[in-house]
Amino acid sequence: GDSVTQMEGPVTLSEEAFLTINCTYTATGYPSLFWYVQYPGEGLQLLLKATKADDKGSNKGFEATYRKETTSFHLEKGSVQVSDSAVYFCALSDLGSSNTGKLIFGQGTTLQVKP
Amino acid sequence: ETGVTQTPRHLVMGMTNKKSLKCEQHLGHNAMYWYKQSAKKPLELMFVYNFKEQTENNSVPSRFSPECPNSSHLFLHLHTLQPEDSALYLCASSQEELAGAETQYFGPGTRLLVL
Repeated sequence: GDSVTQMEGPVTLSEEAFLTINCTYTATGYPSLFWYVQYPGEGLQLLLKATKADDKGSNKGFEATYRKETTSFHLEKGSVQVSDSAVYFCALSDLGSSNTGKLIFGQGTTLQVKP
Repeated sequence: ETGVTQTPRHLVMGMTNKKSLKCEQHLGHNAMYWYKQSAKKPLELMFVYNFKEQTENNSVPSRFSPECPNSSHLFLHLHTLQPEDSALYLCASSQEELAGAETQYFGPGTRLLVL
């Protein structure tokens, strides 16, 4: 079945460092890919998404490119801030499978940014 | 962001209690979801409602009973829970699209502790 695998955390960085959080997926159909972020004490918020191969999603300085050849959707940011400290979830929604409309989440990666 | 609200935000209950979680969405969406978020585990989809009809029950124990009286409200009725049911329960909503790339909007969650 469909699945999402994220790099394990926590990831600890200094402010202004470069961030990469790896995400790979397996899917039987035509997935759309998402990154959600969960700040402490809050629910999940959509950070960015991409709906087809080679699409790049971007928001708040974060970017991720849908790579079908490597089945990956890695999240990157050039210069992180303390306010980026949160848990990041990679997810997919697979139209072409029995999982239509369902979001399949990775386990989440905790990011800690220190001043 | 107040598109999806959940009450209560925190709940402590004994194993013999009966309680209900409430979710309300103000976004005009037609699909609503319950997720369970436990420590160190991926988000688990519990139930999906589409146009008030339950379309997904992800092998959830019968001590969890959902109710969707209309497209804006979703309840999760709890009875005779176990300590391992302690978790963050997240509600989400989306507008189902043919493209299958719908974004789910999450509420802040109810933090449940079962004693």
